[in-house]
Amino acid sequence: GAVVSQHPSRVICKSGTSVKIECRSLDFQATTMFWYRQFPKQSLMLMATSNEGSKATYEQGVEKDKFLINHASLTLSTLTVTSAHPEDSSFYICSAIPQGKGETQYFGPGTRLLVL
Amino acid sequence: RKEVEQDPGPFNVPEGATVAFNCTYSNSASQSFFWYRQDCRKEPKLLMSVYSSGNEDGRFTAQLNRASQYISLLIRDSKLSDSATYLCVANTGFQKLVFGTGTRLLVSP
Repeated sequence: GAVVSQHPSRVICKSGTSVKIECRSLDFQATTMFWYRQFPKQSLMLMATSNEGSKATYEQGVEKDKFLINHASLTLSTLTVTSAHPEDSSFYICSAIPQGKGETQYFGPGTRLLVL
Repeated sequence: RKEVEQDPGPFNVPEGATVAFNCTYSNSASQSFFWYRQDCRKEPKLLMSVYSSGNEDGRFTAQLNRASQYISLLIRDSKLSDSATYLCVANTGFQKLVFGTGTRLLVSP
């Protein structure tokens, strides 16, 4: 149980384009999902907390207009990297907490983004 | 200063060895702590939670010292499959997880 999927697993795009990453909880509902970013040899950094039916909460230094988050249902959150640039190339990982079942976060397999 | 600090390693040990990782955290309000394991180019996976009373899961033992703001992970009888990066994680409240940069372990035959 508690499986989280992400799509796509990897994406290569040109600078200036937008990329959408999906995060799905497959066998549970999640009121709250999280988006992280990990650069090579660095730790996972929380970008934002995605709340179903309301606006996401962004961490300091993360541009909300650049990283658009939509959490339209209890099983899906999307992260859109708008006008991507090479410095946005990173490993994006989402996590989700099963509704009403404590605080353990279950992580998706991640999406590797390369912006040329 | 980073909120969660770890020695990046790598720790190179032979199979069967015992190895210990340490971690310190700066936010005294942190509520709970975890060790995650991350394999190369994969997502982190929960290894175990960490309690003040100490907890053991097979070959793995975790310990929390709140007074020193110090967390440890002990791995006994290392296996080749234990090779990975071990992430020390603090829950600083409101379900927010803060990750250390990880300690890399390489277990050799």
